[in-house]
Amino acid sequence: DSGVTQTPKHLITATGQRVTLRCSPRSGDLSVYWYQQSLDQGLQFLIHYYNGEERAKGNILERFSAQQFPDLHSELNLSSLELGDSALYFCASSVEVGGQVGYTFGSGTRLTVV
Amino acid sequence: GENVEQHPSTLSVQEGDSAVIKCTYSDSASNYFPWYKQELGKGPQLIIDIRSNVGEKKDQRIAVTLNKTAKHFSLHITETQPEDSAVYFCAAPISGTYKYIFGTGTRLKVLA
Repeated sequence: DSGVTQTPKHLITATGQRVTLRCSPRSGDLSVYWYQQSLDQGLQFLIHYYNGEERAKGNILERFSAQQFPDLHSELNLSSLELGDSALYFCASSVEVGGQVGYTFGSGTRLTVV
Repeated sequence: GENVEQHPSTLSVQEGDSAVIKCTYSDSASNYFPWYKQELGKGPQLIIDIRSNVGEKKDQRIAVTLNKTAKHFSLHITETQPEDSAVYFCAAPISGTYKYIFGTGTRLKVLA
């Protein structure tokens, strides 16, 4: 167990629907990052939140949004889903104190759009 | 912007042999380079990292080397075992941020 919790583990939904993915960071970590991993693709950065505030955006579609709550958990909202949105969605957390450190990833949510 | 290239995309080795995965980066200000291992059905796991003030770091059977002049860093796995089979990702930070650009991954297969 990495300490980063993602729910649900699997999600199957129809095109046009909306889903919410949830992430609880490791205790003490203030940052949450969301990444998308499509089949045979690397990890594509979506968005970064630090202590409740949006810090950076990557190639995140307008149909996608995220937020980080006061208890530091984060939710990634995906709407008007398309077949191409099927992917693994990972969140990661980090400390960001005392210099650069690596991420701790959750086990991911596998989204299948049918 | 930062770009990270990773080679090879797939690598098959016999059990007991060594494996080497190479990455190049573009941002000369990058100062921290992590490597992640992703097993099937799991999230990436940080296995080793190196900072720019060090040329090499070793942890049991894995080691990472960094050549700042050439802007490349490599992962070395010695005495490979079947459980080393996984996808390995390198990463480099975008300077001034805690955001990372990941390589495209190397699928390592260790043949028993």
